[in-house]
Amino acid sequence: DGGITQSPKYLFRKEGQNVTLSCEQNLNHDAMYWYRQDPGQGLRLIYYSQIVNDFQKGDIAEGYSVSREKKESFPLTVTSAQKNPTAFYLCASSKGTGYEQYFGPGTRLTVT
Amino acid sequence: EDQVTQSPEALRLQEGESSSLNCSYTVSGLRGLFWYRQDPGKGPEFLFTLYSAGEEKEKERLKATLTKKESFLHITAPKPEDSATYLCAVSGEETSGSRLTFGEGTQLTVNP
Repeated sequence: DGGITQSPKYLFRKEGQNVTLSCEQNLNHDAMYWYRQDPGQGLRLIYYSQIVNDFQKGDIAEGYSVSREKKESFPLTVTSAQKNPTAFYLCASSKGTGYEQYFGPGTRLTVT
Repeated sequence: EDQVTQSPEALRLQEGESSSLNCSYTVSGLRGLFWYRQDPGKGPEFLFTLYSAGEEKEKERLKATLTKKESFLHITAPKPEDSATYLCAVSGEETSGSRLTFGEGTQLTVNP
């Protein structure tokens, strides 16, 4: 089955620690995205990548970093510089411009 | 800058009571308008893509329509399992790359 996997589903970290969220897709999509969703709010774009070895900042990139070394993988690192990291993180992929995005199941990160 | 406004924010229906959700958008050159369904704690599930005014798409009890300024998601004879948050998103010709602009969503509750 083709799709997007995110792991883990739940993640707990202490304040001051960096943490990396995994996102893998086997849809052969060129573009991948990371969103953050807070309770009762819409999706906010963190970073996106339209092709391997290239990525762009979204609307709330501060405190986050990404890499895109392989077409199927787009990991997100939440650094200690992110002031309010507790949230639901969603990864998505698409064929590219003008196409629908497909989402993974999400990772809920709690930082205490 | 692309903008998407969804209304109402929340909608309660009785089982079998048909209604419509609205998505108003402002975009310079529409590449595509997308509807998603999101259940609590899960990633959004893709429903429809609409590309041009007058286009309609159907899936079970859902029907999406598009004009030059808005899209409607019509729900016919809803069932409790249709309860979810419905998200609308657009891709515009002047938007950088393949990113989408999402609305805040309409939270639909269908009571038995």
